[in-house]
Amino acid sequence: GAVVSQHPSRVICKSGTSVKIECRSLDFQATTMFWYRQFPKKSLMLMATSNEGSKATYEQGVEKDKFLINHASLTLSTLTVTSAHPEDSSFYICSAREGSYQETQYFGPGTRLLVL
Amino acid sequence: GENVEQHPSTLSVQEGDSAVIKCTYSDSASNYFPWYKQELGKRPQLIIDIRSNVGEKKDQRIAVTLNKTAKHFSLHITETQPEDSAVYFCAASWGGNQFYFGTGTSLTVIP
Repeated sequence: GAVVSQHPSRVICKSGTSVKIECRSLDFQATTMFWYRQFPKKSLMLMATSNEGSKATYEQGVEKDKFLINHASLTLSTLTVTSAHPEDSSFYICSAREGSYQETQYFGPGTRLLVL
Repeated sequence: GENVEQHPSTLSVQEGDSAVIKCTYSDSASNYFPWYKQELGKRPQLIIDIRSNVGEKKDQRIAVTLNKTAKHFSLHITETQPEDSAVYFCAASWGGNQFYFGTGTSLTVIP
């Protein structure tokens, strides 16, 4: 149980285009999902917290208009990188928490974004 | 906000030896401390966690200790095996909310 999927696993896009990444909890309902960014050989940096049915909470320094997050259902959260630029190239990972009182976060496999 | 520091950044041990990774946190309100193992290009996998009402927890070859007063916690791996080679991350959170990760430790177990 507690499986989280992400789609796509890899994406290459041109500078200026927008890219949508999906995060799904496959066998549980996730009231809260989190989005992280990870640079090569670096740690996971929390970008935002996504709560079903409400606006995402962004960490300091993360542009909310650049990284649009939508959590429309209890099993799906999406991250849209708008007007992507080469510096947005990174590994994006989501995680999901089962219920408000569960502490464990289950991670998706990640999406590698390359902006040319 | 929470700040988590992790040491060492790299660690090499001989197979069969023990490995210890240490983390410190800044926010005394943090009460949940998970450890994740990440292999290259893969997702982080939870290996053990500890809550602030417990000082130590053990699961086979893996143990975690927590010192709330000093605000530090450590991961101990005994009888290391080559398959333990990976990057290990500690994290701190309050109630399982936002996780703030340490900088990671790249562990290499030499056969």
